[in-house]
Amino acid sequence: KAGVTQTPRYLIKTRGQQVTLSCSPISGHRSVSWYQQTPGQGLQFLFEYFSETQRNKGNFPGRFSGRQFSNSRSEMNVSTLELGDSALYLCASSKQGLSYEQYFGPGTRLTVT
Amino acid sequence: AQSVTQLGSHVSVSEGALVLLRCNYSSSVPPYLFWYVQYPNQGLQLLLKYTTGATLVKGINGFEAEFKKSETSFHLTKPSAHMSDAAEYFCAVSEEQAGTALIFGKGTTLSVSS
Repeated sequence: KAGVTQTPRYLIKTRGQQVTLSCSPISGHRSVSWYQQTPGQGLQFLFEYFSETQRNKGNFPGRFSGRQFSNSRSEMNVSTLELGDSALYLCASSKQGLSYEQYFGPGTRLTVT
Repeated sequence: AQSVTQLGSHVSVSEGALVLLRCNYSSSVPPYLFWYVQYPNQGLQLLLKYTTGATLVKGINGFEAEFKKSETSFHLTKPSAHMSDAAEYFCAVSEEQAGTALIFGKGTTLSVSS
Protein backbone atom coordinates (compact mmCIF):
# COMPACT_ATOMS: atom_id res chain seq x y z
CA LYS A 1 0.00 0.00 0.00
CA ALA A 2 1.52 3.32 -1.06
CA GLY A 3 2.11 5.87 1.67
CA VAL A 4 1.36 9.57 1.75
CA THR A 5 3.09 11.39 -1.06
CA GLN A 6 3.92 15.08 -1.26
CA THR A 7 5.05 17.06 -4.26
CA PRO A 8 7.31 18.75 -4.84
CA ARG A 9 9.83 17.68 -2.21
CA TYR A 10 11.84 20.88 -2.47
CA LEU A 11 10.85 24.33 -3.61
CA ILE A 12 12.52 27.74 -3.73
CA LYS A 13 10.38 30.84 -4.08
CA THR A 14 10.88 34.57 -3.86
CA ARG A 15 9.27 36.81 -1.26
CA GLY A 16 5.90 38.06 -2.49
CA GLN A 17 5.22 35.08 -4.74
CA GLN A 18 2.63 32.42 -4.07
CA VAL A 19 3.10 28.67 -3.87
CA THR A 20 0.96 25.56 -4.08
CA LEU A 21 1.91 22.29 -2.41
CA SER A 22 0.24 18.97 -3.09
CA CYS A 23 -0.53 15.97 -0.89
CA SER A 24 -1.87 12.60 -2.01
CA PRO A 25 -3.24 10.56 0.90
CA ILE A 26 -3.18 6.83 1.36
CA SER A 27 -5.83 5.16 -0.75
CA GLY A 28 -9.16 5.14 1.10
CA HIS A 29 -8.24 7.93 3.49
CA ARG A 30 -10.68 10.82 3.53
CA SER A 31 -8.87 13.23 5.84
CA VAL A 32 -5.78 15.29 5.09
CA SER A 33 -4.11 17.52 7.66
CA TRP A 34 -1.30 20.00 7.11
CA TYR A 35 1.46 21.03 9.50
CA GLN A 36 4.25 23.60 9.34
CA GLN A 37 7.63 22.81 10.89
CA THR A 38 10.13 25.60 11.55
CA PRO A 39 13.17 25.74 13.86
CA GLY A 40 11.65 28.57 15.86
CA GLN A 41 7.99 27.58 16.21
CA GLY A 42 8.32 23.83 15.88
CA LEU A 43 5.47 21.76 14.50
CA GLN A 44 2.18 23.59 14.18
CA PHE A 45 -1.20 22.43 12.89
CA LEU A 46 -2.43 24.40 9.89
CA PHE A 47 -5.75 22.84 8.92
CA GLU A 48 -7.61 19.62 8.21
CA TYR A 49 -9.82 18.69 5.31
CA PHE A 50 -12.30 15.83 5.48
CA SER A 51 -14.42 14.84 2.50
CA GLU A 52 -13.64 18.14 0.74
CA THR A 53 -14.61 20.32 3.73
CA GLN A 54 -12.29 22.19 6.04
CA ARG A 55 -13.07 20.75 9.43
CA ASN A 56 -10.48 22.37 11.65
CA LYS A 57 -8.04 25.26 11.40
CA GLY A 58 -4.99 26.33 13.34
CA ASN A 59 -3.86 29.84 14.16
CA PHE A 60 -2.39 30.97 10.87
CA PRO A 61 -3.08 34.07 8.76
CA GLY A 62 -5.45 33.98 5.82
CA ARG A 63 -2.50 33.80 3.41
CA PHE A 64 -2.51 30.09 4.17
CA SER A 65 -5.36 28.24 2.51
CA GLY A 66 -6.14 24.79 1.28
CA ARG A 67 -8.60 22.63 -0.51
CA GLN A 68 -9.41 19.01 -1.02
CA PHE A 69 -10.59 17.32 -4.16
CA SER A 70 -13.12 14.53 -4.62
CA ASN A 71 -10.30 11.97 -4.82
CA SER A 72 -9.10 13.20 -1.38
CA ARG A 73 -5.94 14.77 -2.75
CA SER A 74 -5.26 18.08 -1.08
CA GLU A 75 -3.44 21.25 -2.00
CA MET A 76 -2.15 23.96 0.24
CA ASN A 77 -1.57 27.47 -1.00
CA VAL A 78 0.46 30.28 0.54
CA SER A 79 0.07 33.71 -1.00
CA THR A 80 2.37 36.71 -0.69
CA LEU A 81 5.24 34.64 0.65
CA GLU A 82 7.32 35.98 3.53
CA LEU A 83 10.80 34.90 4.60
CA GLY A 84 9.25 33.40 7.72
CA ASP A 85 7.22 30.98 5.62
CA SER A 86 10.39 28.99 4.94
CA ALA A 87 9.63 25.66 6.53
CA LEU A 88 9.03 21.96 6.09
CA TYR A 89 5.35 21.46 5.30
CA LEU A 90 4.04 18.06 6.31
CA CYS A 91 0.75 16.50 5.45
CA ALA A 92 -0.87 13.56 7.16
CA SER A 93 -3.75 11.38 6.07
CA SER A 94 -6.31 9.51 8.12
CA LYS A 95 -9.15 7.19 7.14
CA GLN A 96 -11.75 8.51 9.56
CA GLY A 97 -10.21 11.84 10.53
CA LEU A 98 -8.86 10.60 13.85
CA SER A 99 -5.58 11.80 15.35
CA TYR A 100 -4.48 8.33 16.37
CA GLU A 101 -4.63 6.86 12.90
CA GLN A 102 -2.67 9.51 11.00
CA TYR A 103 0.23 8.75 8.68
CA PHE A 104 2.65 11.48 7.69
CA GLY A 105 4.22 12.17 4.33
CA PRO A 106 7.88 13.06 3.76
CA GLY A 107 7.19 16.78 3.57
CA THR A 108 7.88 19.64 1.18
CA ARG A 109 10.85 21.84 2.05
CA LEU A 110 9.95 25.43 1.07
CA THR A 111 12.67 28.07 1.02
CA VAL A 112 11.67 31.70 0.55
CA THR A 113 14.43 34.08 -0.54
CA ALA B 1 -5.38 25.11 26.23
CA GLN B 2 -3.33 22.05 25.57
CA SER B 3 0.43 22.18 25.73
CA VAL B 4 3.33 19.76 25.65
CA THR B 5 6.68 20.21 27.35
CA GLN B 6 9.69 18.11 26.47
CA LEU B 7 12.43 18.45 29.05
CA GLY B 8 15.84 18.68 27.42
CA SER B 9 16.23 19.77 23.83
CA HIS B 10 19.26 17.51 23.49
CA VAL B 11 20.00 14.17 25.15
CA SER B 12 23.25 12.24 24.67
CA VAL B 13 23.71 8.59 25.58
CA SER B 14 26.24 5.87 24.90
CA GLU B 15 25.37 2.88 22.79
CA GLY B 16 23.78 0.26 25.04
CA ALA B 17 22.70 2.79 27.67
CA LEU B 18 19.15 3.53 28.77
CA VAL B 19 17.27 6.12 26.77
CA LEU B 20 14.84 8.35 28.68
CA LEU B 21 13.08 11.22 26.95
CA ARG B 22 10.71 13.24 29.09
CA CYS B 23 7.30 14.60 28.14
CA ASN B 24 4.71 16.40 30.25
CA TYR B 25 1.38 17.62 28.95
CA SER B 26 -1.51 19.75 30.02
CA SER B 27 -5.01 18.87 28.98
CA SER B 28 -8.42 19.48 30.48
CA VAL B 29 -9.77 16.14 29.30
CA PRO B 30 -8.27 12.66 28.91
CA PRO B 31 -5.86 13.07 26.03
CA TYR B 32 -4.46 10.89 23.32
CA LEU B 33 -0.66 10.84 23.57
CA PHE B 34 1.96 10.11 20.94
CA TRP B 35 5.68 9.83 20.34
CA TYR B 36 7.02 10.43 16.86
CA VAL B 37 10.55 10.13 15.48
CA GLN B 38 11.99 12.22 12.67
CA TYR B 39 15.18 11.44 10.79
CA PRO B 40 16.93 14.20 8.81
CA ASN B 41 14.98 15.36 5.77
CA GLN B 42 12.15 12.96 6.45
CA GLY B 43 8.60 13.08 7.74
CA LEU B 44 7.31 11.87 11.09
CA GLN B 45 7.13 8.20 11.97
CA LEU B 46 4.84 7.08 14.77
CA LEU B 47 6.72 5.23 17.53
CA LEU B 48 3.79 4.58 19.83
CA LYS B 49 0.49 5.99 21.02
CA TYR B 50 -1.78 5.93 24.03
CA THR B 51 -5.52 6.22 23.54
CA THR B 52 -7.22 4.16 26.25
CA GLY B 53 -6.56 1.04 28.28
CA ALA B 54 -3.17 -0.16 29.46
CA THR B 55 -1.01 2.73 30.54
CA LEU B 56 2.27 1.06 29.53
CA VAL B 57 2.49 1.26 25.77
CA LYS B 58 4.97 -0.64 23.65
CA GLY B 59 6.03 0.69 20.31
CA ILE B 60 8.38 -0.04 17.47
CA ASN B 61 12.15 -0.48 17.69
CA GLY B 62 12.04 -1.45 21.37
CA PHE B 63 10.60 1.83 22.65
CA GLU B 64 7.91 2.07 25.29
CA ALA B 65 6.15 4.82 27.24
CA GLU B 66 3.99 4.97 30.33
CA PHE B 67 0.98 7.25 30.73
CA LYS B 68 0.91 8.62 34.28
CA LYS B 69 -2.22 10.68 34.73
CA SER B 70 -1.31 11.87 38.24
CA GLU B 71 1.99 13.26 36.94
CA THR B 72 0.60 14.33 33.52
CA SER B 73 3.59 12.60 31.98
CA PHE B 74 4.29 10.29 29.06
CA HIS B 75 8.02 9.59 29.15
CA LEU B 76 9.67 7.54 26.41
CA THR B 77 12.20 4.84 27.28
CA LYS B 78 14.35 2.24 25.60
CA PRO B 79 16.52 -0.14 27.66
CA SER B 80 19.50 -0.17 25.32
CA ALA B 81 20.32 2.58 22.81
CA HIS B 82 21.48 1.77 19.30
CA MET B 83 23.35 4.05 16.95
CA SER B 84 20.36 4.01 14.62
CA ASP B 85 18.22 5.62 17.35
CA ALA B 86 19.95 8.96 16.80
CA ALA B 87 17.17 11.26 15.58
CA GLU B 88 14.73 13.92 16.76
CA TYR B 89 11.82 12.80 18.91
CA PHE B 90 8.53 14.61 19.32
CA CYS B 91 5.87 14.11 21.96
CA ALA B 92 2.33 15.11 20.92
CA VAL B 93 -1.13 15.31 22.41
CA SER B 94 -4.61 15.55 20.99
CA GLU B 95 -8.14 15.55 22.30
CA GLU B 96 -10.99 13.52 20.88
CA GLN B 97 -13.02 16.59 19.94
CA ALA B 98 -10.07 18.16 18.11
CA GLY B 99 -10.12 15.64 15.31
CA THR B 100 -6.72 15.13 13.78
CA ALA B 101 -5.04 18.24 15.23
CA LEU B 102 -1.92 17.35 17.16
CA ILE B 103 -0.13 19.68 19.59
CA PHE B 104 3.59 18.94 19.53
CA GLY B 105 6.39 19.53 21.96
CA LYS B 106 9.54 21.32 20.79
CA GLY B 107 11.37 18.06 20.24
CA THR B 108 14.39 16.32 21.74
CA THR B 109 17.44 15.46 19.67
CA LEU B 110 18.93 12.14 20.73
CA SER B 111 22.62 11.57 20.08
CA VAL B 112 24.13 8.10 20.50
CA SER B 113 27.89 7.66 20.82
CA SER B 114 29.87 4.46 20.44
